[in-house]
Amino acid sequence: SAVISQKPSRDICQRGTSLTIQCQVDSQVTMMFWYRQQPGQSLTLIATANQGSEATYESGFVIDKFPISRPNLTFSTLTVSNMSPEDSSIYLCSVLSWEDTSNLFYEQYFGPGTRLTVT
Amino acid sequence: GEDVEQSLFLSVREGDSSVINCTYTDSSSTYLYWYKQEPGAGLQLLTYIFSNMDMKQDQRLTVLLNKKDKHLSLRIADTQTGDSAIYFCAESPYSGGGADGLTFGKGTHLIIQP
Repeated sequence: SAVISQKPSRDICQRGTSLTIQCQVDSQVTMMFWYRQQPGQSLTLIATANQGSEATYESGFVIDKFPISRPNLTFSTLTVSNMSPEDSSIYLCSVLSWEDTSNLFYEQYFGPGTRLTVT
Repeated sequence: GEDVEQSLFLSVREGDSSVINCTYTDSSSTYLYWYKQEPGAGLQLLTYIFSNMDMKQDQRLTVLLNKKDKHLSLRIADTQTGDSAIYFCAESPYSGGGADGLTFGKGTHLIIQP
């Protein structure tokens, strides 16, 4: 299992500024992900944070807007740059943990999320 | 791309069974999941089913999978007030279980009436 904490839990930011969200895991994990949940919408995968290499971004998301760091196996940051009201969302960090190696089943654990409001 | 659809709301009386439905489009889905999100909390994995299974039961939870119709359901027996939450259906289109990012539905808000 894995316990994930995120900082900050919520923030209200002004248009044009940037916010860095931290994700800390209580154990070493190989794969970490960042998701976004816009109001009334489902979760959308932003990127996979790879330790020791650049993050892998999903279609519609770019590094200049959402730079990600992954300095070690227990920590990652997501920066939301040059924010606009459309960036108001809950941002969730997620990690994979081996649960059943015989069936190659990973369980994905989620942090509590960071609620971002851009005014 | 992959798509996962759910009803947005379900209202049931306390003590009744709740059935939350989900449809998906990707026929190569290997694992299908149900997550629960309580207010102010992170997502919690409730249960999952491998695509070669039709049914999985875990205490009050029963998952049914109709792979032909690409339909997944979650039945909660004897629904309690503590079951009030948003339930997300999710699928992994890749082999190796949940080794990649999941595709989620929009979530079904389960409302419990006394």
